[in-house]
Amino acid sequence: DTEVTQTPKHLVMGMTNKKSLKCEQHMGHRAMYWYKQKAKKPPELMFVYSYEKLSINESVPSRFSPECPNSSLLNLHLHALQPEDSALYLCASSQGGPDRGNQPQHFGDGTRLSIL
Amino acid sequence: AQKITQTQPGMFVQEKEAVTLDCTYDTSDPSYGLFWYKQPSSGEMIFLIYQGSYDQQNATEGRYSLNFQKARKSANLVISASQLGDSAMYFCAMREPLRDTGRRALTFGSGTRLQVQP
Repeated sequence: DTEVTQTPKHLVMGMTNKKSLKCEQHMGHRAMYWYKQKAKKPPELMFVYSYEKLSINESVPSRFSPECPNSSLLNLHLHALQPEDSALYLCASSQGGPDRGNQPQHFGDGTRLSIL
Repeated sequence: AQKITQTQPGMFVQEKEAVTLDCTYDTSDPSYGLFWYKQPSSGEMIFLIYQGSYDQQNATEGRYSLNFQKARKSANLVISASQLGDSAMYFCAMREPLRDTGRRALTFGSGTRLQVQP
């Protein structure tokens, strides 16, 4: 079992739907991340939320929007997605703070998203 | 900008033998960290081992060790006494600074799929 919990594990949605992916960690970490991983590709960073500040990968389309209700939760809201958005979405967390190069990111099990 | 290169798309190894997975990197930062992650077919990313650029010794974690050659900019993962459960995708990663934010996140190599044969 991972210490980063992602729900749901699987999600199938139409292009007009609105849904949310949830991510929760109870390790007291101050940085959380969303990655997108296409089949047979490495994960690519979408968002970083660290010490109440959001950093965005500029290539991520606006149909993805993150929300951080508190320091242990990072949700990803989905709206009007396209078929090419079908992927594994991974959430991760790390201690955060001033750059500590040796702190690993701990990942959740991911949400497999399929857009019809 | 930083770059991670894994030149082996796939590797086979016999059970109980050792295997080396290659990783080279390119960075202009004097201080950096290198990570290896394992991703089974179920999808979760499992942290294996870390090597810091200023670490004097190669990192080791159980059956995993890192052959760090700073001058060659390589950080190869060595798995000793391979087990069937080691079959997975392995990613080398480096913490990369995000432009204009002062924050860092992981950049991954393309991965190596390891298959352990009985």
